[in-house]
Order: sequence, then C-alpha cells, then structure tokens
Amino acid sequence: QQQVKQSPQSLIVQKGGISIINCAYENTAFDYFPWYQQFPGKGPALLIAIRPDVSEKKEGRFTISFNKSAKQFSLHIMDSQPGDSATYFCAVGGVDSSYKLIFGSGTRLLVRP
Amino acid sequence: SAVISQKPSRDICQRGTSLTIQCQVDSQVTMMFWYRQQPGQSLTLIATANQGSEATYESGFVIDKFPISRPNLTFSTLTVSNMSPEDSSIYLCSVDIPGGRGYTFGSGTRLTVV
Repeated sequence: QQQVKQSPQSLIVQKGGISIINCAYENTAFDYFPWYQQFPGKGPALLIAIRPDVSEKKEGRFTISFNKSAKQFSLHIMDSQPGDSATYFCAVGGVDSSYKLIFGSGTRLLVRP
Repeated sequence: SAVISQKPSRDICQRGTSLTIQCQVDSQVTMMFWYRQQPGQSLTLIATANQGSEATYESGFVIDKFPISRPNLTFSTLTVSNMSPEDSSIYLCSVDIPGGRGYTFGSGTRLTVV
C-alpha cells in the first residue's frame, strides 16, 4: 500500500517560473510533513516542513501549502533558479508511525536558464 | 542542528563480503534511522536504531542481513552482510534534530557490490 503519492515524476521549469510538486497521503494520523531536497551524490537536506495546524508555511522562495481535508500538501518554489535543479522528496511522519518518515517517490526538477 | 558524519562515503566490495557503515553525530540524539536508496529511487527505511536495545526492522529487512549497533546516543553502525549486487545502493543515516525540528541525514555511503 502506497502511503504517499508524489507527482509529477519530473518537472521542467524556466528560470523565474514557479515549480509546483504535489503529495497525497492516506493516514490522517500523520502530523509532520517535510520536503527534502537532494543533489546528486548528497544526502537529502530538509528544506521546509509543516504541521497540520497551519495551512501554509513560507520560507524564502519555498512555500508549503497544506490541505488537511483533502490529505494533500504541495511545495511551491517561486522564482525558480537553475541552482534549484535537484530531486525533491515529500515525506510524512509522526507519532502514529513511531516518528519514522515515509517518503514519496521523488520529483526530478530541472530549471532551464 | 545535529551534524552527521558517515563513513565510508563510498566503497566497492566483492560479493559475499560484509561492510560496516558508521554514523557519528555531534550531539546526543534519541532516534537514529538507517535508510536505503537504490539508484534513482526514493528512500526506504531499513531500521530504527535504539540505544540500549535491539534495533527495530521494517518489513523486508532482517537482522542477519543488516545487523545494527547503537552503543551510545551519538553513534551507530549498520553492517551489510553477505553482499550481492542487489545490495548496491546508497545507505543513509538519519537522526532527529533536537527541539523537534525534524530529521537530518548524513551524506550517505554509496556501495557498489561486484
């Protein structure tokens, strides 16, 4: 059973554009929703995370939008830059999963100059 | 936040041998996790390493194949035993960031089994 569905699998955006990546989850008991950024040859780096008590969180050019009723959350990258080209993973976790993170399948983002 | 040092960063091993991967954290952490990332794939949790007790393994992973040690709150090892080419992956250590601010990852160990 796939607990986290991430889309799209790959994304190409022009420099300055908005990149949007979506995730959907099934278990309403999850209460921690992070996004990770991974460059080739590196471990995943925590980008931004949200708890279910807020619907949106913004840090610089990165915004998480959270829809609790739809069990969906998304990552928006504003003013996308070539340096943002990486693989992005959503994840879910919380007390119900013994604090383990369950990862989405990943989105490979390419920002063209 | 916690800084993780993972060793080795990469290795090429012969099938049938074993490799032990070390994860050292610069601060005491409660939870340590070991993940596997197969080429071009997402991350899959292998086990949760508990200090002072047996590791808790996820479905599909067994202690005989992936023995784990957690001797203290800053260190853990994962051994990949009796390796086959299918074990070629990136192995990642992860810990909880103090203050409940999430989880951080080491840079990973890229293992190639020939």
